[in-house]
Amino acid sequence: KQEVTQIPAALSVPEGENLVLNCSFTDSAIYNLQWFRQDPGKGLTSLLLIQSSQREQTSGRLNASLDKSSGRSTLYIAASQPGDSATYLCAVSAISNFGNEKLTFGTGTRLTIIP
Amino acid sequence: DGGITQSPKYLFRKEGQNVTLSCEQNLNHDAMYWYRQDPGQGLRLIYYSQIVNDFQKGDIAEGYSVSREKKESFPLTVTSAQKNPTAFYLCASTPSGGPWTEAFFGQGTRLTVV
Repeated sequence: KQEVTQIPAALSVPEGENLVLNCSFTDSAIYNLQWFRQDPGKGLTSLLLIQSSQREQTSGRLNASLDKSSGRSTLYIAASQPGDSATYLCAVSAISNFGNEKLTFGTGTRLTIIP
Repeated sequence: DGGITQSPKYLFRKEGQNVTLSCEQNLNHDAMYWYRQDPGQGLRLIYYSQIVNDFQKGDIAEGYSVSREKKESFPLTVTSAQKNPTAFYLCASTPSGGPWTEAFFGQGTRLTVV
């Protein structure tokens, strides 16, 4: 059974710092890994999608890496801003026992950027 | 703008009542999903549908029911059999039921039992 872990559960950093969020998964047989952002009481917003054949993806100040063999992904946020404060979730996609694509989510890292 | 619309944003249910959560998408996506989110837990899959008139149980389907009569709509009914329905419910869609697709989410419905 695929398990996804995100450590730490919460992180506070001063504005302007670079930071790294971690995601680990137990089964390396994945199709892709997706990073999401969730603001309080809101839905999920997709940030980056990394296919299993890729090593990293970049969007603006965000860079996500994937090491499938070791079951790890990182989300790097450069020059953090107060607007980056949110919960960040990672999810891995794989084929379930029923033959469909299934997303398995981590519990998230709640990020607070201190002005 | 294309997207997923969930309604209502807040919903209150009395003990023993059935309630229905709406999910509509105009992305022309084939696959739609319902997830439940509880504090301190990852999202858990309730039901999913890969095509119209077909749906499958997810990991926590007991006490829930769905229908998929139209491609754009995937309503979720929380029945009285669901003993602990208070949670945040999220609807999602992907272009197809296969892999290598990006998932899009609605803004959620918060259900509270009163």
